[in-house]
Amino acid sequence: GQQVQQSPTSLVLQEGENAELQCNFSTSLNSMQWFYQRPGGSLISVFYNPSGTKQSGRLTSTTVIKERRSSLHISSSQITDSGTYLCAMEQRGSSGNKLIFGIGTLLSVKP
Amino acid sequence: DPKIIQKPKYLVAVTGSEKILICEQYLGHNAMYWYRQSAKKPLEFMFSYSYQKLMDNQTASSRFQPQSSKKNHLDLQITALKPDDSATYFCASSQDHSQDTQYFGPGTRLLVL
Repeated sequence: GQQVQQSPTSLVLQEGENAELQCNFSTSLNSMQWFYQRPGGSLISVFYNPSGTKQSGRLTSTTVIKERRSSLHISSSQITDSGTYLCAMEQRGSSGNKLIFGIGTLLSVKP
Repeated sequence: DPKIIQKPKYLVAVTGSEKILICEQYLGHNAMYWYRQSAKKPLEFMFSYSYQKLMDNQTASSRFQPQSSKKNHLDLQITALKPDDSATYFCASSQDHSQDTQYFGPGTRLLVL
């Protein structure tokens, strides 16, 4: 099964509403990273968050490692927030680390 | 200026041919990676390199061969292309091959006919 579960898979908001995106991991992880991706675009790192809460502007990420989950909160959403949000767990082994991705949450913010 | 350059941006190939995807990073990073994003699937880890040495290979097929001519270069050679290889291929890098933020390039979108 999939190691990284994201929910919801899609979300439609009115501009100004808040959003809460969830990420759950089926295995233990060392850290995790949130990315933003426009259609056909590159991945932009939003947060690298091994644990606890981090905030950047209207975005807040909370990671609880022992519960194997992370969330991304978007407050006062704007149309330009539309896109796909991906979470990825950092899996570390003897050969170094790699990112295991979820399928993403497609966010659409309407005027 | 873009810090991670991938060339070409788009690539169309015929089945059975061979292509090389270029990646250069100007972040001074020591670790580089390749990931693949296929339709309806999560981004998938392929390779990782550290100081030009292969660290991890999660690609089952030997048709995919990374090539590192310089520390800040990690190209991906794909031989005997198949339509299933159609995907967007992302190069990424991080300061070191340990707990660290990974930064992604713009990707190369490959279509195999």
